[in-house]
Amino acid sequence: KNEVEQSPQNLTAQEGEFITINCSYSVGISALHWLQQHPGGGIVSLFMLSSGKKKHGRLIATINIQEKHSSLHITASHPRDSAVYICAVRISGQNFVFGPGTRLSVLP
Amino acid sequence: DVKVTQSSRYLVKRTGEKVFLECVQDMDHENMFWYRQDPGLGLRLIYFSYDVKMKEKGDIPEGYSVSREKKERFSLILESASTNQTSMYLCASSLWAGSAGANVLTFGAGSRLTVL
Repeated sequence: KNEVEQSPQNLTAQEGEFITINCSYSVGISALHWLQQHPGGGIVSLFMLSSGKKKHGRLIATINIQEKHSSLHITASHPRDSAVYICAVRISGQNFVFGPGTRLSVLP
Repeated sequence: DVKVTQSSRYLVKRTGEKVFLECVQDMDHENMFWYRQDPGLGLRLIYFSYDVKMKEKGDIPEGYSVSREKKERFSLILESASTNQTSMYLCASSLWAGSAGANVLTFGAGSRLTVL
C-alpha cells in the first residue's frame, strides 16, 4: 500500500487553464512538500506545508490535516509549468516518503 | 545560496566497473540521502546517513554501499555496476528532525548513470 498517492498521474492542459494536482497520505505527518522537476532537471522544493495555505506567484498549495489531503493549484498555466510535480511527506524519523508524481504538460 | 552539489551530471560505465557518485552540501545538514529515480517507480531511497560514519539502509540498498567520512560529503558506491543500475541518482540533504527548519529538503541536480 502506497503511503502517498497523487492524482492525476498525467495531466495535459491548455495555456491559461487553472490546474489542480492532488496528494493524499495515509498516516500522520510533520510536514508536506510539493516538489517540481523539469525534464532532465533536478528537483526543487516549491512549498513546505504543515497547515493551511501558501501562495507564491501563480502557485497555491493547501493542506487539510484532518483529511490527510493536499492540493497544488496553478493559476493561468503556462508552457514553462510543464514538469513533474511530486508530493513528499515527512512521517516519522529522519526520512521522507514520496508520491509517484504527476506529469503536467501545458500546451501553447 | 544553499547548495547540494553532485559531482557528475552524466556517467557512462561498463558492467563490472566500480562507480563512485559524490554529493557535497554546504548547509551543515545532519541528514543526507541517496535516491534513485526510474520511470513509473518514482523516488526510491537507497541509503541515508544521519551523522558522520552513520548510515541506514533504505528501500533498495542491494548492490550499493555508502560512505560518509565528513559531514558535508556523502558518497554512493556501486562495487560492480550492472545494467539494472542504469538510472538517475539524486542526492538530498536536510536538518535533523526536530531542529528549527528541519523539514527543509534540498536536492542536488542529479547524476544520470548509464551502465553498458
